[in-house]
Amino acid sequence: GENVEQHPSTLSVQEGDSAVIKCTYSDSASNYFPWYKQELGKRPQLIIDIRSNVGEKKDQRIAVTLNKTAKHFSLHITETQPEDSAVYFCAALTMDSSYKLIFGSGTRLLVRP
Amino acid sequence: DSGVTQTPKHLITATGQRVTLRCSPRSGDLSVYWYQQSLDQGLQFLIQYYNGEERAKGNILERFSAQQFPDLHSELNLSSLELGDSALYFCASSVGRWAEETQYFGPGTRLLVL
Repeated sequence: GENVEQHPSTLSVQEGDSAVIKCTYSDSASNYFPWYKQELGKRPQLIIDIRSNVGEKKDQRIAVTLNKTAKHFSLHITETQPEDSAVYFCAALTMDSSYKLIFGSGTRLLVRP
Repeated sequence: DSGVTQTPKHLITATGQRVTLRCSPRSGDLSVYWYQQSLDQGLQFLIQYYNGEERAKGNILERFSAQQFPDLHSELNLSSLELGDSALYFCASSVGRWAEETQYFGPGTRLLVL
């Protein structure tokens, strides 16, 4: 069935460094890839998304890249700050058996001051 | 605050019982999605309703059911509860019927089955 794999499961970086989280998906028809940030005890919030007609999208310190051939996409956070510490989830829209978002298992990012 | 509300915030019940979780979407949103988040797990899509009709279904158990009412609020019913049903249940809403529209999540209902 449809699947989204996310790596790493945990990531610890020094404040100011960059963080990269990678996801691969299985449904070659997927055309929408959002990233959500979930702080402890809070709701997931969309931070950036990308559609299959573009290869890269940037929003201030956050960027997402997409490689449709290899079926993988990545989240890049530059100049990390302590408030970036959270769990990040990638997702892919699948149209295989049902039109829905499939989420990765999450990456716990810790930014050390 | 996303504008999506969920009640109750916490729910503690016993195995075999039945509970109802409620979600009110953002004003103007016609779609409601239900997700389950187990401890240390990602978000599992359960079901989507658009303007009162079921639109998409995920791995929702037969013991679970949902509906969306004419005022667009939605309820998720969980019956014959098992210990493994303990989780955080989120609803999300979006403007239209397409899952690639931005989904705004509610604060969640934390369910504990003892």
